[in-house]
Amino acid sequence: QKEVEQNSGPLSVPEGAIASLNCTYSDRGSQSFFWYRQYSGKSPELIMSIYSNGDKEDGRFTAQLNKASQYVSLLIRDSQPSDSATYLCAVVTGGGNKLTFGTGTQLKVEL
Amino acid sequence: DGGITQSPKYLFRKEGQNVTLSCEQNLNHDAMYWYRQDPGQGLRLIYYSQIVNDFQKGDIAEGYSVSREKKESFPLTVTSAQKNPTAFYLCASRGPQKNYGYTFGSGTRLTVV
Repeated sequence: QKEVEQNSGPLSVPEGAIASLNCTYSDRGSQSFFWYRQYSGKSPELIMSIYSNGDKEDGRFTAQLNKASQYVSLLIRDSQPSDSATYLCAVVTGGGNKLTFGTGTQLKVEL
Repeated sequence: DGGITQSPKYLFRKEGQNVTLSCEQNLNHDAMYWYRQDPGQGLRLIYYSQIVNDFQKGDIAEGYSVSREKKESFPLTVTSAQKNPTAFYLCASRGPQKNYGYTFGSGTRLTVV
């Protein structure tokens, strides 16, 4: 079992719709979770972090965490073509000393 | 402005040659990391360092070496023992608390010619 799993996609949504990206993780001791956005050929940029069960909202982005189910998700409301990118889920593992990434989900927002 | 600088942006290596990728940060972060990214495989951890003069192997350390002589610098050497070095290499650093997200440099794209 991979430490962090994501569907590779592509996930296609129409402009203005809600995009839902999902991630599961295997280390029950993990406490910190992050979502990064990566445009083609560029480095990842941090868009959301979440540490407690429940929802955390920041603008059009909402991160959701369920530690009992070992599940993290990212919702993007009012999706725009500029949101088209690969979204990487990352979990702090190794006793808090390293960040493990999923393989990423490619999102395509269509006009 | 604080940040992480990686150089060069593009690097070409001949077979059997060692090359060194530079990573410098002025964020005053203690922890630094090297990741490799291949298409469809996400980011894989090569080496990391939590303090000067100390570093640990990540998941794919074979064929790579690092040093951490200064807090600001964490260079990665890709040796001739690395049989498939063509990839996008990313350096990152992390703030003082373990739940801080990582800040990434702009990356170095290494190609074997």
